[in-house]
Amino acid sequence: AQSVTQPDIHITVSEGASLELRCNYSYGATPYLFWYVQSPGQGLQLLLKYFSGDTLVQGIKGFEAEFKRSQSSFNLRKPSVHWSDAAEYFCAVGHPEYGNKLVFGAGTILRVKS
Amino acid sequence: DTGVSQDPRHKITKRGQNVTFRCDPISEHNRLYWYRQTLGQGPEFLTYFQNEAQLEKSRLLSDRFSAERPKGSFSTLEIQRTEQGDSAMYLCASGGTALSAEQFFGPGTRLTVL
Repeated sequence: AQSVTQPDIHITVSEGASLELRCNYSYGATPYLFWYVQSPGQGLQLLLKYFSGDTLVQGIKGFEAEFKRSQSSFNLRKPSVHWSDAAEYFCAVGHPEYGNKLVFGAGTILRVKS
Repeated sequence: DTGVSQDPRHKITKRGQNVTFRCDPISEHNRLYWYRQTLGQGPEFLTYFQNEAQLEKSRLLSDRFSAERPKGSFSTLEIQRTEQGDSAMYLCASGGTALSAEQFFGPGTRLTVL
Protein backbone atom coordinates (compact mmCIF):
# COMPACT_ATOMS: atom_id res chain seq x y z
CA ALA A 1 0.00 0.00 0.00
CA GLN A 2 1.15 3.51 -0.73
CA SER A 3 1.48 5.73 2.32
CA VAL A 4 3.28 8.75 3.68
CA THR A 5 4.13 9.24 7.32
CA GLN A 6 4.87 12.58 8.90
CA PRO A 7 5.72 11.63 12.47
CA ASP A 8 5.42 15.11 13.96
CA ILE A 9 1.93 16.59 14.18
CA HIS A 10 3.19 19.86 15.65
CA ILE A 11 6.63 21.47 15.78
CA THR A 12 7.53 24.73 17.47
CA VAL A 13 10.78 26.52 16.69
CA SER A 14 12.16 29.90 17.56
CA GLU A 15 12.51 32.49 14.85
CA GLY A 16 15.98 32.22 13.37
CA ALA A 17 16.45 28.60 14.44
CA SER A 18 16.89 25.75 12.00
CA LEU A 19 14.05 23.46 11.01
CA GLU A 20 13.72 19.85 9.90
CA LEU A 21 10.38 18.24 9.10
CA ARG A 22 10.37 14.50 8.67
CA CYS A 23 8.71 12.46 5.96
CA ASN A 24 8.83 8.71 5.33
CA TYR A 25 7.02 6.89 2.57
CA SER A 26 6.00 3.44 1.46
CA TYR A 27 5.55 3.06 -2.30
CA GLY A 28 5.77 0.42 -5.01
CA ALA A 29 8.52 2.16 -6.95
CA THR A 30 10.81 5.09 -6.33
CA PRO A 31 8.22 7.81 -6.29
CA TYR A 32 8.25 11.42 -7.24
CA LEU A 33 8.36 13.39 -3.99
CA PHE A 34 6.87 16.74 -3.06
CA TRP A 35 6.56 19.16 -0.20
CA TYR A 36 3.59 21.51 -0.10
CA VAL A 37 2.75 24.30 2.35
CA GLN A 38 -0.75 25.35 3.34
CA SER A 39 -1.60 28.54 5.19
CA PRO A 40 -4.92 28.73 7.07
CA GLY A 41 -7.87 28.75 4.69
CA GLN A 42 -5.63 28.53 1.66
CA GLY A 43 -4.82 25.98 -0.98
CA LEU A 44 -1.54 24.13 -1.27
CA GLN A 45 1.62 25.77 -2.57
CA LEU A 46 4.42 23.63 -3.95
CA LEU A 47 7.70 24.20 -2.10
CA LEU A 48 9.90 21.72 -3.94
CA LYS A 49 9.92 18.42 -5.80
CA TYR A 50 12.23 15.50 -6.48
CA PHE A 51 11.97 13.38 -9.60
CA SER A 52 15.47 12.04 -10.09
CA GLY A 53 19.14 13.04 -10.02
CA ASP A 54 20.76 15.05 -7.25
CA THR A 55 19.18 13.92 -4.00
CA LEU A 56 19.40 17.37 -2.42
CA VAL A 57 16.82 19.68 -3.95
CA GLN A 58 16.30 23.36 -3.46
CA GLY A 59 12.91 24.98 -3.33
CA ILE A 60 11.27 28.30 -2.82
CA LYS A 61 11.44 30.42 0.34
CA GLY A 62 14.85 29.02 1.28
CA PHE A 63 13.68 25.43 1.81
CA GLU A 64 15.58 22.33 0.78
CA ALA A 65 14.93 18.60 1.05
CA GLU A 66 17.06 15.50 0.84
CA PHE A 67 15.94 12.20 -0.64
CA LYS A 68 17.42 9.15 1.10
CA ARG A 69 16.44 5.99 -0.73
CA SER A 70 17.82 3.65 1.94
CA GLN A 71 15.62 5.28 4.57
CA SER A 72 12.61 5.96 2.31
CA SER A 73 12.75 9.52 3.58
CA PHE A 74 12.42 13.00 2.14
CA ASN A 75 13.00 15.43 5.00
CA LEU A 76 12.44 19.16 4.60
CA ARG A 77 14.94 21.63 6.04
CA LYS A 78 15.45 25.33 6.42
CA PRO A 79 18.53 26.87 8.06
CA SER A 80 16.77 29.88 9.59
CA VAL A 81 13.02 30.05 10.13
CA HIS A 82 11.03 33.25 9.71
CA TRP A 83 7.75 34.02 11.47
CA SER A 84 6.01 33.92 8.08
CA ASP A 85 6.92 30.23 7.75
CA ALA A 86 4.26 29.32 10.31
CA ALA A 87 1.85 27.08 8.37
CA GLU A 88 1.05 23.42 7.79
CA TYR A 89 3.45 21.36 5.69
CA PHE A 90 2.53 18.30 3.70
CA CYS A 91 4.79 15.68 2.18
CA ALA A 92 3.36 13.87 -0.86
CA VAL A 93 4.36 11.10 -3.27
CA GLY A 94 3.20 10.20 -6.74
CA HIS A 95 4.34 8.61 -9.99
CA PRO A 96 3.28 8.65 -13.64
CA GLU A 97 2.74 4.87 -13.42
CA TYR A 98 -0.13 5.62 -11.01
CA GLY A 99 -1.58 8.56 -12.91
CA ASN A 100 0.43 11.04 -10.86
CA LYS A 101 -2.25 11.05 -8.21
CA LEU A 102 -0.69 12.27 -5.00
CA VAL A 103 -0.67 10.45 -1.69
CA PHE A 104 -0.26 12.91 1.18
CA GLY A 105 0.93 12.65 4.74
CA ALA A 106 -1.23 13.98 7.56
CA GLY A 107 0.79 17.16 7.76
CA THR A 108 3.00 18.91 10.29
CA ILE A 109 1.88 22.21 11.81
CA LEU A 110 4.81 24.57 12.29
CA ARG A 111 4.62 27.23 14.95
CA VAL A 112 7.27 29.94 15.11
CA LYS A 113 7.91 31.71 18.38
CA SER A 114 9.58 35.10 18.51
CA ASP B 1 -2.21 32.58 -7.16
CA THR B 2 -1.57 29.30 -9.00
CA GLY B 3 -3.97 30.10 -11.82
CA VAL B 4 -6.44 27.44 -10.67
CA SER B 5 -9.77 28.82 -9.52
CA GLN B 6 -12.59 27.16 -7.62
CA ASP B 7 -16.14 28.28 -7.04
CA PRO B 8 -17.70 28.71 -4.58
CA ARG B 9 -15.08 29.14 -1.87
CA HIS B 10 -17.56 28.26 0.85
CA LYS B 11 -20.81 26.33 0.77
CA ILE B 12 -23.18 25.65 3.64
CA THR B 13 -26.00 23.26 2.96
CA LYS B 14 -28.51 21.14 4.79
CA ARG B 15 -28.25 17.39 4.91
CA GLY B 16 -29.95 15.78 1.93
CA GLN B 17 -29.39 18.67 -0.46
CA ASN B 18 -27.34 18.45 -3.64
CA VAL B 19 -24.29 20.65 -4.17
CA THR B 20 -22.05 21.31 -7.15
CA PHE B 21 -18.55 22.73 -7.19
CA ARG B 22 -16.62 24.08 -10.13
CA CYS B 23 -12.90 24.08 -10.91
CA ASP B 24 -11.18 26.03 -13.67
CA PRO B 25 -7.67 24.67 -14.26
CA ILE B 26 -4.70 26.30 -15.91
CA SER B 27 -5.80 26.54 -19.51
CA GLU B 28 -2.97 24.60 -21.13
CA HIS B 29 -3.10 21.73 -18.61
CA ASN B 30 -4.82 18.56 -19.73
CA ARG B 31 -4.94 16.81 -16.35
CA LEU B 32 -7.29 17.77 -13.55
CA TYR B 33 -7.48 16.18 -10.10
CA TRP B 34 -9.99 16.36 -7.24
CA TYR B 35 -8.98 15.78 -3.63
CA ARG B 36 -10.84 15.97 -0.33
CA GLN B 37 -9.28 17.25 2.88
CA THR B 38 -10.83 16.83 6.31
CA LEU B 39 -9.71 18.59 9.45
CA GLY B 40 -6.32 17.45 10.65
CA GLN B 41 -5.65 15.29 7.61
CA GLY B 42 -3.80 15.59 4.36
CA PRO B 43 -5.72 15.71 1.09
CA GLU B 44 -7.06 12.40 -0.22
CA PHE B 45 -7.37 11.63 -3.91
CA LEU B 46 -10.90 11.38 -5.30
CA THR B 47 -10.68 11.31 -9.09
CA TYR B 48 -8.80 12.64 -12.09
CA PHE B 49 -9.32 13.53 -15.72
CA GLN B 50 -7.12 13.64 -18.73
CA ASN B 51 -8.85 16.03 -21.06
CA GLU B 52 -12.53 15.02 -20.87
CA ALA B 53 -11.89 11.39 -19.92
CA GLN B 54 -12.26 10.39 -16.28
CA LEU B 55 -9.39 7.93 -15.86
CA GLU B 56 -9.66 6.89 -12.23
CA LYS B 57 -12.03 7.15 -9.29
CA SER B 58 -11.10 6.43 -5.70
CA ARG B 59 -13.12 4.04 -3.59
CA LEU B 60 -13.74 7.12 -1.44
CA LEU B 61 -15.98 8.39 -4.21
CA SER B 62 -19.36 6.89 -3.37
CA ASP B 63 -22.16 6.74 -5.92
CA ARG B 64 -23.48 10.01 -4.50
CA PHE B 65 -20.46 11.76 -6.00
CA SER B 66 -20.07 12.48 -9.69
CA ALA B 67 -17.50 14.50 -11.57
CA GLU B 68 -17.44 15.76 -15.12
CA ARG B 69 -15.09 17.65 -17.34
CA PRO B 70 -16.98 18.51 -20.50
CA LYS B 71 -14.78 19.57 -23.41
CA GLY B 72 -11.69 19.03 -21.29
CA SER B 73 -11.78 22.48 -19.76
CA PHE B 74 -13.46 23.22 -16.42
CA SER B 75 -14.68 20.43 -14.16
CA THR B 76 -17.62 20.04 -11.82
CA LEU B 77 -17.97 17.85 -8.76
CA GLU B 78 -21.51 17.12 -7.63
CA ILE B 79 -22.54 15.56 -4.35
CA GLN B 80 -26.10 14.30 -4.15
CA ARG B 81 -28.03 13.83 -0.91
CA THR B 82 -25.27 15.36 1.19
CA GLU B 83 -24.40 13.86 4.56
CA GLN B 84 -22.65 15.46 7.51
CA GLY B 85 -19.64 13.28 6.79
CA ASP B 86 -19.22 15.08 3.46
CA SER B 87 -18.15 18.23 5.29
CA ALA B 88 -14.60 18.89 4.13
CA MET B 89 -12.42 21.05 1.93
CA TYR B 90 -12.62 19.99 -1.71
CA LEU B 91 -9.44 20.78 -3.60
CA CYS B 92 -8.87 20.85 -7.32
CA ALA B 93 -5.43 20.54 -8.88
CA SER B 94 -4.22 21.12 -12.41
CA GLY B 95 -1.41 19.12 -13.99
CA GLY B 96 0.37 19.45 -17.30
CA THR B 97 0.98 16.07 -18.88
CA ALA B 98 1.25 12.40 -18.00
CA LEU B 99 4.98 12.74 -17.41
CA SER B 100 4.79 16.03 -15.53
CA ALA B 101 3.80 15.02 -12.01
CA GLU B 102 3.70 18.55 -10.67
CA GLN B 103 0.23 19.71 -9.65
CA PHE B 104 -1.01 23.21 -8.96
CA PHE B 105 -3.80 23.52 -6.44
CA GLY B 106 -6.74 25.87 -6.30
CA PRO B 107 -7.88 27.57 -3.08
CA GLY B 108 -10.49 24.89 -2.39
CA THR B 109 -14.20 24.85 -1.66
CA ARG B 110 -15.09 24.39 2.00
CA LEU B 111 -18.33 22.45 2.37
CA THR B 112 -20.30 22.44 5.61
CA VAL B 113 -23.28 20.11 5.84
CA LEU B 114 -25.66 20.93 8.69
